[in-house]
Amino acid sequence: DGGITQSPKYLFRKEGQNVTLSCEQNLNHDAMYWYRQDPGQGLRLIYYSQIVNDFQKGDIAEGYSVSREKKESFPLTVTSAQKNPTAFYLCASRHSGRADEQFFGPGTRLTVL
Amino acid sequence: GEDVEQSLFLSVREGDSSVINCTYTDSSSTYLYWYKQEPGAGLQLLTYIFSNMDMKQDQRLTVLLNKKDKHLSLRIADTQTGDSAIYFCAETHSEGGKLIFGQGTELSVKP
Repeated sequence: DGGITQSPKYLFRKEGQNVTLSCEQNLNHDAMYWYRQDPGQGLRLIYYSQIVNDFQKGDIAEGYSVSREKKESFPLTVTSAQKNPTAFYLCASRHSGRADEQFFGPGTRLTVL
Repeated sequence: GEDVEQSLFLSVREGDSSVINCTYTDSSSTYLYWYKQEPGAGLQLLTYIFSNMDMKQDQRLTVLLNKKDKHLSLRIADTQTGDSAIYFCAETHSEGGKLIFGQGTELSVKP
């Protein structure tokens, strides 16, 4: 079955530690995205990548880093520089065709203690 | 700049119609979308409308687009308890295909 997977579903970390969230897709999509969701707010774009070995900052990139070494994978690292990292993180990939639809993974809830 | 606005809450009775409204600012958007999010889950695309259309119907869902007023609505006919969720409207941005989301409307369906 094709789709997007994110792991883990729940993640707990101590303040000051870096943490990496996984996102994998087998849809053969070129573009991938990371969003952050906070209660009562819409999704805000952190980083996106339109092709392997290239990525761009979104609206709230400070304190985050990404890599795109493989088409299928777009991991997000939440660094200790991110002042308020507790949130729900969603990864998506985009179908460059029918309505440019973005497909979303199930999300990772990160809690920093 | 880009901005998408939605009301935060809507409560309806089972069997009634629900109408969720959205306003957007980027008149160059090619597509406008409605996504559904159930608790603790990712987003599921419900439907979308191309910017040169006024209306799109898909089973119980009807999308209306008023380009002049930059207003988008989603009507759910015969709303069921399983429709309880958060609904997001989103518009495309020309840069990198990224989406601009509204804050989401929490739909509560009471039996």
